[in-house]
Amino acid sequence: GQSLEQPSEVTAVEGAIVQINCTYQTSGFYGLSWYQQHDGGAPTFLSYNGLDGLEETGRFSSFLSRSDSYGYLLLQELQMKDSASYFCAVSRDRDDKIIFGKGTRLHILP
Amino acid sequence: ETGVTQTPRHLVMGMTNKKSLKCEQHLGHNAMYWYKQSAKKPLELMFVYNFKEQTENNSVPSRFSPECPNSSHLFLHLHTLQPEDSALYLCASSQDVGGDIQYFGAGTRLSVL
Repeated sequence: GQSLEQPSEVTAVEGAIVQINCTYQTSGFYGLSWYQQHDGGAPTFLSYNGLDGLEETGRFSSFLSRSDSYGYLLLQELQMKDSASYFCAVSRDRDDKIIFGKGTRLHILP
Repeated sequence: ETGVTQTPRHLVMGMTNKKSLKCEQHLGHNAMYWYKQSAKKPLELMFVYNFKEQTENNSVPSRFSPECPNSSHLFLHLHTLQPEDSALYLCASSQDVGGDIQYFGAGTRLSVL
């Protein structure tokens, strides 16, 4: 079967750094994506990794290690508006649908 | 604004009703998707359409009937639903099926009484 594992909840302090991990077991691998969803809102794309290494987009970075079937999303200089759920998602093939993890609820304390 | 519009935003229906959810994308994408999102569960892919043709039906009960008249519009027809079908139904589109970025609508919050 296909599975993506990520923590259900993470708590961090405003201004700090937080890392959300994702491990996957899938029959193939093409790329790892991250999406953010605020309460009552639509999931929105944050980042994509097709190759090993770090991708940086402003305060957000995403890392991939294909040999370890592992990736993470790094959020720096946390702001209250970053309180949301974060989903990792794997595409197994260029022409295959993406599979979403269960999501990590990020709580930010002032 | 993601370029994907869903209506209605909220819907309450009885188990004997028939209703339809509508999704429209203004992005020129070729692929469209229906997802179900229940509390504390992952996004569940229901249907995939590519160039108006259904390419995936993820073992969805027949009380959910999708329709894709063109690449910009997607409907989900609902009839004789069960209370456990209450959830957020999300529509998404991408340039093509696969690893492309998916753009989601805001969803329809459905309550079945």
